[in-house]
Amino acid sequence: QVQLQESGPGLVKPSETLSLTCTVSDGSITDYYWSWLRQPPGKGLEWIGYISSGGKTNYNPSLESRVTISVDTSKDQFSLNLNSVTAADTAVYFCARYSLCGGDCHIFDCWGQGTLVTVSS
Amino acid sequence: DIVMTQSPDSLAVSLGERATINCKSSQSLLYSSNNKNYLAWYQHKPGQPPKLLISWASTRESGVPDRFSGSGSGTDFTLTISSLQAEDVAVYYCQQYYSTPPVTFGQGTRLEIK
Repeated sequence: QVQLQESGPGLVKPSETLSLTCTVSDGSITDYYWSWLRQPPGKGLEWIGYISSGGKTNYNPSLESRVTISVDTSKDQFSLNLNSVTAADTAVYFCARYSLCGGDCHIFDCWGQGTLVTVSS
Repeated sequence: DIVMTQSPDSLAVSLGERATINCKSSQSLLYSSNNKNYLAWYQHKPGQPPKLLISWASTRESGVPDRFSGSGSGTDFTLTISSLQAEDVAVYYCQQYYSTPPVTFGQGTRLEIK
């Protein structure tokens, strides 16, 4: 069973860049698509974007101007950069495996535990 | 974006009793060409990663107990736990994937033991 683990700073200053990495445990990073989601305190889940092992990306239009997702298959990792952060970006950030079911669905069939990132000076 | 609304926000059910969680979408999730509803359900237990329970509104993932069932079509969907067990305490989310990007989620329903 694949395991995903988020890592990165838990505190980011306003206007700076939030950077997180997700490590995929079983070497399957080249076989799937991968995604980032977040959940602000007391609110619902929000999809941020996904990336293929080949680097194809798709982002939530609401965040697209500030988001970059990248992948490093040699390290079995994919990463999230979110720039110009504000307090509204405070959330638990999850990485997840993104299942396309051959192109017809967009669901998340394996998740990391999540990591809390607080934006504060 | 499609708005997903769950009800209730929280629910307390006795062990062994039925739990029902509702999810309503702002537009139909039924794709007429294949007669599939583009809806998934997730379970998020405290301290654990979220878990995919059901896709296509009613298809259980491998290993999910059969006390969990999904139903509904179009804009109205239900997750039913037929006989609540202690390990089912969690927050449950619905998610649409009919119109992407972006996929969108309901706000979650917290299920507790009465």
